[in-house]
Amino acid sequence: QSVLTQPPSVSGAPGQRITISCTGNRSNIGAGFDVHWYQQLPGTAPKLLIYVNTNRRSGVPDRFSGSKSGTSASLAITGLQAEDEAHYYCQSYDSTLSGSVFGGGTKLTVL
Amino acid sequence: QLQLQESGPGLMKPSETLSLTCSVSGGSITTGNNYWAWIRQPPGRGLEWIGSLSYGGNTYYNPSLKSRVSSSLDTAKNQFSLTVTSVTAADTAVYFCARLCCDLRGDFDYWGQGALVTVSS
Repeated sequence: QSVLTQPPSVSGAPGQRITISCTGNRSNIGAGFDVHWYQQLPGTAPKLLIYVNTNRRSGVPDRFSGSKSGTSASLAITGLQAEDEAHYYCQSYDSTLSGSVFGGGTKLTVL
Repeated sequence: QLQLQESGPGLMKPSETLSLTCSVSGGSITTGNNYWAWIRQPPGRGLEWIGSLSYGGNTYYNPSLKSRVSSSLDTAKNQFSLTVTSVTAADTAVYFCARLCCDLRGDFDYWGQGALVTVSS
């Protein structure tokens, strides 16, 4: 079981908006540690999308955005495209484990 | 552009010791604010942080693996390595090396392509 909790799957039609939640606790997100988001296409390494809660990495479309509040964070994707179909992971730091922690991942299906 | 490349044994038997190397190009592993990490992903499952090491060689490990893992820098070759002792089938995974940006609480901004390690008798 992952320290950070994500929904196993989400889906949306092309053009729609979806959000993926990432829930932690007071030793990670709730302690103020930053949240980062990754996209993983099948058979490839994860790619950093959003860093430090809200910052898009260079080259990432502005359809992707991140937010954080309390013990949770969210990734939003607007104007869904077929190429967005992938697994998405959140990541933060945990003071109890003294290391990085990941969410279990969310599979996005574009209908 | 920083590039990372893992190399490893591929297939192993239970109880053996796994050794992986990550070769870094496009930058020095000893540059300040560079931290390096190992992350693994069992087939069909999510990501698991294994451990991180600083540009000065300090190491930090996932408590669930700490008794079996070690990592170190090879500054002469601009590489860093991971050793996992007494492997079992549960250690079967794709092993990624990555750069941990800025400090231990940061993001993983550069990744290797991954090396599949299968443990089977």
